Amino acid sequence: GAGVSQSPRYKVAKRGQDVALRCDPISGHVSLFWYQQALGQGPEFLTYFQNEAQLDKSGLPSDRFFAERPEGSVSTLKIQRTQQEDSAVYLCASSLALPGSSGNTIYFGEGSWLTVV
Amino acid sequence: RKEVEQDPGPFNVPEGATVAFNCTYSNSASQSFFWYRQDCRKEPKLLMSVYSSGNEDGRFTAQLNRASQYISLLIRDSKLSDSATYLCVVRSGGGADGLTFGKGTHLIIQP
Repeated sequence: GAGVSQSPRYKVAKRGQDVALRCDPISGHVSLFWYQQALGQGPEFLTYFQNEAQLDKSGLPSDRFFAERPEGSVSTLKIQRTQQEDSAVYLCASSLALPGSSGNTIYFGEGSWLTVV
Repeated sequence: RKEVEQDPGPFNVPEGATVAFNCTYSNSASQSFFWYRQDCRKEPKLLMSVYSSGNEDGRFTAQLNRASQYISLLIRDSKLSDSATYLCVVRSGGGADGLTFGKGTHLIIQP
């Protein structure tokens, strides 16, 4: 497809289980972002990649969260030893140009809905 | 104080009415401003950018007041399909992209 693709769309994990969420950005997009959106809240920034380089991970809530984009295209967000407070929608977004560029529209995927029980 | 604040609503508005939302931001160095629309269980999508001079796109008008640090969105002749959550988004230029989202304002257009 032409948009940002995320999988799985829905994931139920038992507390303590590790999960991996995948993002396929729009082809050719340099910038890739992960956001976390809890119920009733706006998206909160987690981390940013420019090609394969993770330039900002200041939003990752704990060291249980890890993201990678080894070849500068597909990205994976991994959450280890999931906790109930990790339940949220994890949104991936990509943009063609570098942050701060004019006309730099960010496109979101539909998100991965994580429920930790 | 949150960096971007919005009234969460819900705003219940009859079809055809005009509705306006405001959003305030705390970082005076913020550079770019946007309104995103998010439908239930869907991803946010860019509705419109907000320019200092104000801008209009069909039934939608966005305004920016830098002195008072607020952004507004006006929807005229509202349609049932306008029902959604409207997210105020500010780019401050710091960090990776500096995109900060408000919690969103929930709008319900009633027939």
